[in-house]
Amino acid sequence: QQQVKQSPQSLIVQKGGISIINCAYENTAFDYFPWYQQFPGKGPALLIAIRPDVSEKKEGRFTISFNKSAKQFSLHIMDSQPGDSATYFCAVSLWSATNKLIFGTGTLLAVQP
Amino acid sequence: DTEVTQTPKHLVMGMTNKKSLKCEQHMGHRAMYWYKQKAKKPPELMFVYSYEKLSINESVPSRFSPECPNSSLLNLHLHALQPEDSALYLCASSRNSGQGAEKLFFGSGTQLSVL
Repeated sequence: QQQVKQSPQSLIVQKGGISIINCAYENTAFDYFPWYQQFPGKGPALLIAIRPDVSEKKEGRFTISFNKSAKQFSLHIMDSQPGDSATYFCAVSLWSATNKLIFGTGTLLAVQP
Repeated sequence: DTEVTQTPKHLVMGMTNKKSLKCEQHMGHRAMYWYKQKAKKPPELMFVYSYEKLSINESVPSRFSPECPNSSLLNLHLHALQPEDSALYLCASSRNSGQGAEKLFFGSGTQLSVL
């Protein structure tokens, strides 16, 4: 059973545009929702994370929107740049066990100049 | 120093070989992890060490044997692997383990090919 579904699988955005990646989860017990960014040949790196007590969190050009009732959360990249081209993974876990992240399937983002 | 260093970067081995992957961090982190990542797939957790003791084993076959000699080092010993074990093996570390927004710091991985 896939515990977190991520879409789209791939995304092409023009420079300066908005990139939106969505994730949906099944288990309402999950209460920690990070996003990781992975460049080719590198390991993933934490980008931004949110907990269910807020509906939105912004860090620079990156924003997480969280909808607890729908069990969905999304990553918005404003003013997308070619340097943002990477694979993005959402993840879920329990706050009490953030060492057991469950990753989404990933989204390959290409930002065209 | 916020790096997790993995060696070797690439490894080719036969099914009868024994090899080891190495991981090192000097951030004072007390939790270290092994993940497996197949091409175009998400990372999958294999093992977690917390304070140098194995705390999580995600039902990984015994041909993979982890070892944590000290708080800075993590090894993954490989023996009698199968071609389907070919993947990118990622090491990660975090300040602590188990509770509360523990940011994972990943290494760049070892790309393993089993022939």
